[in-house]
Amino acid sequence: NAGVTQTPKFRVLKTGQSMTLLCAQDMNHEYMYWYRQDPGMGLRLIHYSVGEGTTAKGEVPDGYNVSRLKKQNFLLGLESAAPSQTSVYFCASSSYQGSSLAFFGQGTRLTVV
Amino acid sequence: DAKTTQPTSMDCAEGRAANLPCNHSTISGNEYVYWYRQIHSQGPQYIIHGLKNNETNEMASLIITEDRKSSTLILPHATLRDTAVYYCIKRTSYDKVIFGPGTSLSVIP
Repeated sequence: NAGVTQTPKFRVLKTGQSMTLLCAQDMNHEYMYWYRQDPGMGLRLIHYSVGEGTTAKGEVPDGYNVSRLKKQNFLLGLESAAPSQTSVYFCASSSYQGSSLAFFGQGTRLTVV
Repeated sequence: DAKTTQPTSMDCAEGRAANLPCNHSTISGNEYVYWYRQIHSQGPQYIIHGLKNNETNEMASLIITEDRKSSTLILPHATLRDTAVYYCIKRTSYDKVIFGPGTSLSVIP
């Protein structure tokens, strides 16, 4: 019963490098989200998806791209990493049916040097 | 703009009940109130949610006022492991999940 799984858990990037964070959920949820959390602050929504093949901008989308080619996966891409993107990234999923609880991954700690 | 208000921080003595308030400037009839907590940079964890009636589960109780603009999360016997940031979120099942700053609860030995 994996729930929401994020890979990798840790990563160090050099400025200008690119990378992709993977989020996978096994609950058949329609909605998926990517958040970032900076030290001492709350979670801010980067991008989200309401279904396979759809994505939308959240509160802080600049510098990130996302794709949802399969319902169970939501990818977050950084094309040219900047030190300001040093953060902890969380993925979540929820269903619009039933109680619509959101389930979260354990986070990816990204450092851009 | 609709606004959700929570205290920035609270203290609670270990073994006592922790009562965390949340206020919404507006709330629609189909918006639920959800509570999550985040323990030391782990992923947020669901606690409880409700629409109109008070709710209780193994973790906590949720008291919702009749006008639904205020709710209180009650941790009946707080332990040190309940030290966390607690988030109150109102949304329908079709809304995206947006976090406010939350309440930082410190349980004191």
